[in-house]
Amino acid sequence: GQQLNQSPQSMFIQEGEDVSMNCTSSSIFNTWLWYKQDPGEGPVLLIALYKAGELTSNGRLTAQFGITRKDSFLNISASIPSDVGIYFCARPRGDKIIFGKGTRLHILP
Amino acid sequence: DAGITQSPRYKITETGRQVTLMCHQTWSHSYMFWYRQDLGHGLRLIYYSAAADITDKGEVPDGYVVSRSKTENFPLTLESATRSQTSVYFCASRERLAESTDTQYFGPGTRLTVL
Repeated sequence: GQQLNQSPQSMFIQEGEDVSMNCTSSSIFNTWLWYKQDPGEGPVLLIALYKAGELTSNGRLTAQFGITRKDSFLNISASIPSDVGIYFCARPRGDKIIFGKGTRLHILP
Repeated sequence: DAGITQSPRYKITETGRQVTLMCHQTWSHSYMFWYRQDLGHGLRLIYYSAAADITDKGEVPDGYVVSRSKTENFPLTLESATRSQTSVYFCASRERLAESTDTQYFGPGTRLTVL
């Protein structure tokens, strides 16, 4: 129940395409976090969601906190080469933050 | 330099040797964390610390030792390195929970290879 299931595991898209990925769990959460890891670097927080149904944007990125509180979605519009990397969903658990296994985004020229 | 730093960035060692990975943060964050990242497993928590002299196990603590004598430093030691500990290690820090905005800041990582 504590695991976060991300899909897809990896994506190969053409530059300019829109991207959608999601994260699900069997447990209800009060907070969803989305991080991005650029190649060779540590993850960086992109978006934090605190309310069911909440839709939050950060530039071309939009994340939604699912109504059931068991899922979250991240969309990237008009992808560009610098969007390449691994996208992690995460959620706080006590003192810690639990991460999903990530969605690896590849962009074809 | 301000922020969170890790050293070394790359390390090659042999099975059975002791290795220490260093982590330093300049924000005086209360919480510090060590993760390992492996293909197919994402980020797995090894150990974390809520304050100086307070540490606790994470998901995969076996084979690792941590200490936190000073708030700004959180070294991770592999007492007797094994090949299964070949991985990329990330240190992270965060403010105390009551003041936190859930932002956890990660270092640049240490790529460790155990031969």
